[in-house]
Amino acid sequence: GGIITQTPKFLIGQEGQKLTLKCQQNFNHDTMYWYRQDSGKGLRLIYYSITENDLQKGDLSEGYDASREKKSSFSLTVTSAQKNEMAVFLCASTQGNTGQLYFGEGSKLTVL
Amino acid sequence: QQQVRQSPQSLTVWEGGTTVLTCSYEDSTFNYFPWYQQFPGEGPALLISILSVSDKKEDGRFTTFFNKREKKLSLHIIDSQPGDSATYFCAASNNNNAPRFGAGTKLSVKP
Repeated sequence: GGIITQTPKFLIGQEGQKLTLKCQQNFNHDTMYWYRQDSGKGLRLIYYSITENDLQKGDLSEGYDASREKKSSFSLTVTSAQKNEMAVFLCASTQGNTGQLYFGEGSKLTVL
Repeated sequence: QQQVRQSPQSLTVWEGGTTVLTCSYEDSTFNYFPWYQQFPGEGPALLISILSVSDKKEDGRFTTFFNKREKKLSLHIIDSQPGDSATYFCAASNNNNAPRFGAGTKLSVKP
C-alpha cells in the first residue's frame, strides 16, 4: 500500500500572504490533484497534473499556483490569502485519469 | 457551474433503515462514477464505483444504480448502521477530464 502525506495539517495565515501547501505520495501514481473542500460545496478542483512538470487548471484555479517538480510531489500556493477564508485543501493521486483517487487527510487553512 | 449535483445535503435515518442518496450530472461523456465516504478529520475514501456500461453494482450493504438516459445515479445503503454516519460524495469523470464531485451528503444514522 501507499500513503499520501499533506503538510502542514493546519495553516494559519494573514490576509494577502502567500501560503504553500505540500503533498507527497509513495504510490508511484502519475496523476495528482488538489481539491478545495468547503462546507456545503463539496470538493472543487483547483489544479491537477498528469505527469511530472505538467499542470492542468481546474474549475477554481484563479488565486492559486501549483508545481509538480517531481512525480511524487505536488505543491499548491495560495497567491494572496483572503481574510476570513477557511477551507480544507485535499490532495489526491491516481494511476491514469479515471480510476480510484487516494486522498490525503487534508490541510486546513484559516486566514485571519 | 456545478457539473455534478447531489441531494440531499443532509439526511438522518434510524439504525436498520435504508439510506438513499442521489446525484445527477450534465456531461454525457462521463463514464466512471465513484462514491466516496469521508469521516471527520480524514480524506474521502472510495466506497463503491460503477462504469457507464452497467446499471447496478452491489457491495455488501451498499448498492449503486446508474441511469444513463436520465444521467442520474444513486447510492442505497440497506440496514444502515451508526458506523455509516459520514459524508458521502458522488463523482463523475471520463478519460480526458479529472473527477468532478457533488456537494456531498452528511448522513447521520441514529441508534
